[in-house]
Amino acid sequence: EPEVTQTPSHQVTQMGQEVILRCVPISNHLYFYWYRQILGQKVEFLVSFYNNEISEKSEIFDDQFSVERPDGSNFTLKIRSTKLEDSAMYFCASSDLAPDSYEQYFGPGTRLTVT
Amino acid sequence: AQKVTQAQTEISVVEKEDVTLDCVYETRDTTYYLFWYKQPPSGELVFLIRRNSFDEQNEISGRYSWNFQKSTSSFNFTITASQVVDSAVYFCALSGLRSGSEKLVFGKGTKLTVNP
Repeated sequence: EPEVTQTPSHQVTQMGQEVILRCVPISNHLYFYWYRQILGQKVEFLVSFYNNEISEKSEIFDDQFSVERPDGSNFTLKIRSTKLEDSAMYFCASSDLAPDSYEQYFGPGTRLTVT
Repeated sequence: AQKVTQAQTEISVVEKEDVTLDCVYETRDTTYYLFWYKQPPSGELVFLIRRNSFDEQNEISGRYSWNFQKSTSSFNFTITASQVVDSAVYFCALSGLRSGSEKLVFGKGTKLTVNP
């Protein structure tokens, strides 16, 4: 069964450093998402991406964040200058929006720890 | 604005008990989807069910069943004869069907502990 993959599974970085989280969505999907889950809290939407541009972003997704689809397979989330409060699990998801089978398929997540 | 409320923060049951997890949602969309996800201690999000707003039929899948009631904006999840492996955090989520982005709005989750 096709699946969304994410690398790395765990990233430790120092405050102020840039990090890039990587995702490989399911190959025939057209819509891509990033979500964040601070430890013990709910899953929060960050950004959605379609047709090589951001289609929606939350207020969490400020100028420190950016997303890119650099080639035909990868989907990346960059945090330019990490803060302690960026420590969280980051989930990538993809979907095809077919009405009869609409589902967002989630990757296993990247745990980001900012020290 | 869309909102999902899971009023039960934590539930603890003994194995073989039935347990119902509540979910109440708010949306102005006439067409929307509701979801349940399971998050075991390992952290991944496991899809359990999707329901669209036009289909109010209840669904049963093994020990799991879902009760969707538009009149009360609720989409409750029942586990029958619970097992220790059901211990996890369960999230209810809502998605509209606006073109270009169908972000999921999650509730805060209900932590279910099933004790042997």
